[in-house]
Amino acid sequence: DQQVKQNSPSLSVQEGRISILNCDYTNSMFDYFLWYKKYPAEGPTFLISISSIKDKNEDGRFTVFLNKSAKHLSLHIVPSQPGDSAVYFCAARVTGGGNKLTFGTGTQLKVEL
Amino acid sequence: DAGVIQSPRHEVTEMGQEVTLRCKPISGHNSLFWYRQTMMRGLELLIYFNNNVPIDDSGMPEDRFSAKMPNASFSTLKIQPSEPRDSAVYFCASSSGVLTEAFFGQGTRLTVV
Repeated sequence: DQQVKQNSPSLSVQEGRISILNCDYTNSMFDYFLWYKKYPAEGPTFLISISSIKDKNEDGRFTVFLNKSAKHLSLHIVPSQPGDSAVYFCAARVTGGGNKLTFGTGTQLKVEL
Repeated sequence: DAGVIQSPRHEVTEMGQEVTLRCKPISGHNSLFWYRQTMMRGLELLIYFNNNVPIDDSGMPEDRFSAKMPNASFSTLKIQPSEPRDSAVYFCASSSGVLTEAFFGQGTRLTVV
């Protein structure tokens, strides 16, 4: 039972345009959400997070939006750069459940010149 | 700063053999996590430790899997006997508290033939 879903296994975007990566979750107890980025042959690295008390968090070119009623979050990257090409994982956590993260299956982003 | 260190980076073994994966967390971190990455299920949490004590091992797939953390600077994940379906990339991660982001190692790619 996949509690965190990333339904798009891949996404291709032109350099300079906006990349939008989507994530849906089913567990209403999740109250903290994270995005990780992963390059080949490396471990995932933390990118940005958002608490359920917010609906938006911005860090430079990266913005995460949370829609609790729809149980949906998205990561916007603008402008997209070739170095952003990587696999992006969405993850969720229940506060009080330790630091146990539930991850999605990932979306491969390719930013083309 | 040294990050999370995993060894070996690659392991090829025959079905039925015992496999031991090793992890050295970031110094000072008191939470340690073992994840497995597969195409179908993304990143799955197998087990996590807090202050060297296993907190949640509900993700360990079978009794063939076991994990130990004898001290704050070392953990092992053992598979005995190994099976071809165990082939995956295994990641170790650590964090400095129960509510901070986790830092991942580079992973061990396990192939069981």
